[in-house]
Amino acid sequence: EVQLVESGGGLVQPGGSLRLSCAASGFTFSSYSMNWVRQAPGKGLEWVSYISSSSSTIYYADSVKGRFTISRDNAKNSLYLQMNSLRDEDTAVYYCARGTVTTDYWGQGTLVTVSS
Amino acid sequence: DIQMTQSPSSLSASVGDRVTITCRASQSISSYLNWYQQKPGKAPKLLIYAASSLQSGVPSRFSGSGSGTDFTLTISSLQPEDFATYYCQQSWAFGGGTKVEIK
Repeated sequence: EVQLVESGGGLVQPGGSLRLSCAASGFTFSSYSMNWVRQAPGKGLEWVSYISSSSSTIYYADSVKGRFTISRDNAKNSLYLQMNSLRDEDTAVYYCARGTVTTDYWGQGTLVTVSS
Repeated sequence: DIQMTQSPSSLSASVGDRVTITCRASQSISSYLNWYQQKPGKAPKLLIYAASSLQSGVPSRFSGSGSGTDFTLTISSLQPEDFATYYCQQSWAFGGGTKVEIK
């Protein structure tokens, strides 16, 4: 069974940093590209970042470019999102999701709250 | 960048109704269009991929159609468990969502 489990969310002050993790199981993690997608409270879905299976291709949404860094460790079946210079508007549930054109499996999400 | 526009943003319907949600892309995206269902407090669930292919395990009352810029998600007979928010997606662009509520 495919499972994606996010962790690392919490309360952080504006300007602070946080590192999210996504632990994958039930599939060959190294064969799949991965994404981070977020959802602000009461709002719609917003794609954040993409990383290919070998980490050779990485993309970011304009809203996080220069502040967030996506990475993965295929040996540990894990995906990461390093978030720096956090802003109030980064408050959201962050989901990891598998796939490229189609994201077929999603984790349950981890809540990041940016507030003073 | 491609923009995805969904309509309506919300609708009220009764159990057994036929429901149609539309999604329009700002430029042609061929058939690269997915539909998701999201219930409160839960992760999105893939319903339809490549515009019209039903994801494994999804009831056949859900169907998708369209290509190019205009796409449709249809629920042929709305069931109680279908009350949720639906999103279209093209790669890294999501539509704004359609909330389906009980009339």
